[in-house]
Amino acid sequence: NAGVTQTPKFRVLKTGQSMTLLCAQDMNHEYMYWYRQDPGMGLRLIHYSVGEGTTAKGEVPDGYNVSRLKKQNFLLGLESAAPSQTSVYFCASGQGAPPGANVLTFGAGSRLTVL
Amino acid sequence: GQSLEQPSEVTAVEGAIVQINCTYQTSGFYGLSWYQQHDGGAPTFLSYNALDGLEETGRFSSFLSRSDSYGYLLLQELQMKDSASYFCAVRRGGDFNKFYFGSGTKLNVKP
Repeated sequence: NAGVTQTPKFRVLKTGQSMTLLCAQDMNHEYMYWYRQDPGMGLRLIHYSVGEGTTAKGEVPDGYNVSRLKKQNFLLGLESAAPSQTSVYFCASGQGAPPGANVLTFGAGSRLTVL
Repeated sequence: GQSLEQPSEVTAVEGAIVQINCTYQTSGFYGLSWYQQHDGGAPTFLSYNALDGLEETGRFSSFLSRSDSYGYLLLQELQMKDSASYFCAVRRGGDFNKFYFGSGTKLNVKP
């Protein structure tokens, strides 16, 4: 099992450019999440999805959009990148129901730098 | 809203026991999780407490007191490979599908 796979692993953008981060999971999980991690600030939830075709806002959704057209994929888009979006982005998935309802499985992360 | 507080850094020696505390303020508390993250790596799940008391998994134990809004992660027989950051996270009823993370505690294990 690959688990949760994120692409790309690294990306450098110029201010104003757009890009999409892809998250794919092969565990048939219902729930998927996008977090960003900045030094000293832990993980902050950007958007999440509780099933195919559904998305919802997290703590810091501004400047990001998401889509979940297929159950296994969760895309995070930046329409017009800003330096404040320089961060490490983590995708996670979870069963949402017992026995693994409380466990999140994370991808390896995508490091994004916006110049 | 919610807030979680953890010490930013803890140092201990190999073979020792270390406790990492987490205090939280949130409405509709449902449970407390712990995750480990090595430098440059992904967070990995360690434990989850929904009820008061101690949960033990090998060298790691996690404790929760709902009345005190407090939990801790206990690491025994420390090994060099335990050097990592440890995050507590709350799950809220109402925001049942969301997990809110603390800012993390960096554990340095010295020989």
